[in-house]
Amino acid sequence: DGGITQSPKYLFRKEGQNVTLSCEQNLNHDAMYWYRQDPGQGLRLIYYSQIVNDFQKGDIAEGYSVSREKKESFPLTVTSAQKNPTAFYLCASRGEGYTFGSGTRLTVV
Amino acid sequence: GQNIDQPTEMTATEGAIVQINCTYQTSGFNGLFWYQQHAGEAPTFLSYNVLDGLEEKGRFSSFLSRSKGYSYLLLKELQMKDSASYLCAVRDPPAGGGNKLTFGTGTQLKVEL
Repeated sequence: DGGITQSPKYLFRKEGQNVTLSCEQNLNHDAMYWYRQDPGQGLRLIYYSQIVNDFQKGDIAEGYSVSREKKESFPLTVTSAQKNPTAFYLCASRGEGYTFGSGTRLTVV
Repeated sequence: GQNIDQPTEMTATEGAIVQINCTYQTSGFNGLFWYQQHAGEAPTFLSYNVLDGLEEKGRFSSFLSRSKGYSYLLLKELQMKDSASYLCAVRDPPAGGGNKLTFGTGTQLKVEL
C-alpha cells in the first residue's frame, strides 16, 4: 500500500545537536511539506518542495533545513539554531489530496 | 497571507449535532479542507469545499461561503470516538502559492454522555 513513512516516532536529542527527521513516500507525489505542531496549536508550515531539487521556505523556516534529492524523500534537519525545537513534526505529500505521515515527536533536553 | 479563526474548544452530547465554525481572511483561495486529528496522530481528511454550498459525507457535512470567508463542519449523531481536534485549513493557489495549506489552531471537541 502507498503512503508516507516518518521515522522515528519518538526522538530525543541534547540541546545544541542537529537532528534529521526522515520522511519517505511511495505515492509518486511531486509536492511534499513539513509542518510543526505545538500543544493545542494548529500546524505551521516549515518548508515545502514542489519538485525534486527545489524547495521553498514556509512560515517558520528559521533554524531548519531541508533537501529534496529524490522524489521519494524529503528529510528535515532541525539545527541548533532553532530555539524551541521540541514539537510534533508532520510530513505530508500532495496528490489529489494531502497525505500525512504519522509524525515524529522530537524532545530536546 | 492567511488568517484562520476557529473556536478553541467545544463540548457536545453523544447523539447530538455540533457545528464547528471557521472564518478566514486570505490573499488567495483555492479550497478549504477539514481534518480530524486525535492527540499524537496524523490529521485525517474529512471534507473539501472549493465552491459555495454544502458537501455531505455520511455523518459529516461541510459548508462554504467564499464571499463571507466562512465555513462550518457539521457533525451529526455524535459518538464518543468523535472526541478529537478538528482543523480548518485553507489552500493557497498553485501559482506562487505552492498549493500550501494554512491551518487554523484547531477546535478541540469533547463528546460527553
